[in-house]
Amino acid sequence: GAVVSQHPSRVICKSGTSVKIECRSLDFQATTMFWYRQFPKQSLMLMATSNEGSKATYEQGVEKDKFLINHASLTLSTLTVTSAHPEDSSFYICSARRGNGNEKLFFGSGTQLSVL
Amino acid sequence: DAKTTQPPSMDCAEGRAANLPCNHSTISGNEYVYWYRQIHSQGPQYIIHGLKNNETNEMASLIITEDRKSSTLILPHATLRDTAVYYCIVRVARDGNNRKLIWGLGTSLAVNP
Repeated sequence: GAVVSQHPSRVICKSGTSVKIECRSLDFQATTMFWYRQFPKQSLMLMATSNEGSKATYEQGVEKDKFLINHASLTLSTLTVTSAHPEDSSFYICSARRGNGNEKLFFGSGTQLSVL
Repeated sequence: DAKTTQPPSMDCAEGRAANLPCNHSTISGNEYVYWYRQIHSQGPQYIIHGLKNNETNEMASLIITEDRKSSTLILPHATLRDTAVYYCIVRVARDGNNRKLIWGLGTSLAVNP
């Protein structure tokens, strides 16, 4: 099956610093990628949808200036958590959709962010 | 947007079939039912999806009732590695190109030795 690589898998940072998370589709071109956040024992919450070459679409309540998303190529999307605070500590997951009309999503392995 | 209802947890003996139910009584005619699972501290994994016919692949079978208001995911011979949270999701149309999946809390399946 298709592979989506996400890294880092775990990051610990100090409050006020920025953290970049990368999501790569290794064997297919992903026109659309999605970024999720998941708190312990809760479900996935969609943060934003990114389309290659255009601005990301953010879900209600998600600050676009805090969670910067760049989808510069068909195989790479990045999420940057700017000026991270302890409340941003969470499990971040990306997913990629292959082409149009293919409704199977392929997920990265997730990034556990801990902000001290 | 159609929503789904799943039992919060289930147990299954290793080697036995695991039958995971899902209710989606408000599903629309053009909405698909998707199943994913998430093993602890990993990203979700696609399992299977269907519209109205029963589906089977190497991982599982999906049985959808004739009125499409409910479905059952069947893992024919559960193993310990099948212990995970299983999500039943109905696809909603967001706009012409991007479709958003709404995730509930899923069913936490524990496969016991």
